[in-house]
Amino acid sequence: DSGVTQTPKHLITATGQRVTLRCSPRSGDLSVYWYQQSLDQGLQFLIQYYNGEERAKGNILERFSAQQFPDLHSELNLSSLELGDSALYFCASSVLAGGTGELFFGEGSRLTVL
Amino acid sequence: DQQVKQNSPSLSVQEGRISILNCDYTNSMFDYFLWYKKYPAEGPTFLISISSIKDKNEDGRFTVFLNKSAKHLSLHIVPSQPGDSAVYFCAAGSYNTDKLIFGTGTRLQVFP
Repeated sequence: DSGVTQTPKHLITATGQRVTLRCSPRSGDLSVYWYQQSLDQGLQFLIQYYNGEERAKGNILERFSAQQFPDLHSELNLSSLELGDSALYFCASSVLAGGTGELFFGEGSRLTVL
Repeated sequence: DQQVKQNSPSLSVQEGRISILNCDYTNSMFDYFLWYKKYPAEGPTFLISISSIKDKNEDGRFTVFLNKSAKHLSLHIVPSQPGDSAVYFCAAGSYNTDKLIFGTGTRLQVFP
C-alpha cells in the first residue's frame, strides 16, 4: 500500500461526457502528479501540483484540467470525452517539489469511454 | 518525441538466471534515472535509482548500470525469481523540473 488513494477505481462513461478523478496523496506529501497510461503506452505525464499551485505541465489536453485543494487532495477533470481518452489514470505523490524522482503511485483509475 | 525508450516490450527468463532490461534516452540533461515495477491492478512502485554522476548502483539482487556516452541504462536482476514477473518502467528526470519521463515498459516473465 503506497498510501496514495485514487477514486473511482473503474469508470465507464459515454463520449461527450465529463468525469472527475480524485486523488489523496500520502500523508505529508505536498506534490501530486497525474499520469495517463494508454494501451501499450508508457506513463505520460499530465500535470503536477505542489502545495496547491501548478508546478509543471506535460501533454495535458485543453479538455482536461486539474487542481489541488488546501487539504492537498487533487482532482483531474476530463471533459468532452472521446474514445481515445480511455486509459488508466495514475496519481502519484512525493514530499518535495523536484528531488530525485521517487514517486508513490496510487492504484489508478481505469476510465472506459464508450 | 519519446525521450525515454524501452525497445523490448517483453522478456522471458528462467528462474535463477539473469534478467537484463534495457532503456535508452535521448536527453543528455537528465540528472537521474529510476526503475519502477508494476504488477497488474497496482500502481508502479519504485525499485532502484541512479544519479547521472554514477555508473552503477546496486541494491540486493537489483543493479542498475548507466552508460552516459551511449545514453543507455540497464537493470540487472540476479537471480531472477517468479515474483519478479511484472512490467518494468524506466524513468528519467532533471533537478530543474519535477516531471519524470517514463518509457513504455518491458514485461518480464520469470518461469520455473
